[in-house]
Amino acid sequence: GAGVSQSPSNKVTEKGKDVELRCDPISGHTALYWYRQSLGQGLEFLIYFQGNSAPDKSGLPSDRFSAERTGGSVSTLTIQRTQQEDSAVYLCASSSRPGARGNTIYFGEGSWLTVV
Amino acid sequence: TQLLEQSPQFLSIQEGENLTVYCNSSSVFSSLQWYRQEPGEGPVLLVTVVTGGEVKKLKRLTFQFGDARKDSSLHITAAQTGDTGLYLCAGGGFYNQGGKLIFGQGTELSVKP
Repeated sequence: GAGVSQSPSNKVTEKGKDVELRCDPISGHTALYWYRQSLGQGLEFLIYFQGNSAPDKSGLPSDRFSAERTGGSVSTLTIQRTQQEDSAVYLCASSSRPGARGNTIYFGEGSWLTVV
Repeated sequence: TQLLEQSPQFLSIQEGENLTVYCNSSSVFSSLQWYRQEPGEGPVLLVTVVTGGEVKKLKRLTFQFGDARKDSSLHITAAQTGDTGLYLCAGGGFYNQGGKLIFGQGTELSVKP
């Protein structure tokens, strides 16, 4: 597609349930990033993929969070046993030149997760 | 740990006024980017600066990267209501960090008519 696509755009779930968020990056982009953003705040890095491997998962807040990427393309972020503090917008981004100076990353519109 | 401090966090001004947003760190970054984000959308890149002391202009917006590549500023001249939004600075690490960006906490700008 032309841009980074994320689904669902909105998800309301009950505390304790598992959720899966999907990201479809720009075609040909080798790097994929997940960020989390609380209301009106900056972005918190979660995990970075280069191809299908994740060299940097340092931002995942707990072992309830996991992510995978298959075929060097689509990625899924899974949150198990959701808690209310997990409520946020989860943003996915992709890049064709990871590590290059001035690397530009392109963001999707995000998945708004509300845990009730 | 690399951190970016952005100030002010909130800014409410009248149309036609000038403003400056600051982004500071104790760490050196290979590049500094500025994004603008509107409600319900992802951040959109405005500019990337990579050289210490670099100044870039985008219409009424002027971006500067500090000489030591630790800080940056965004200056808007004669603000318009359409400038309203969340402005985010983001620092790029070096090659071994895979292009990961570290974001500041954002500046919520409101320009009133």
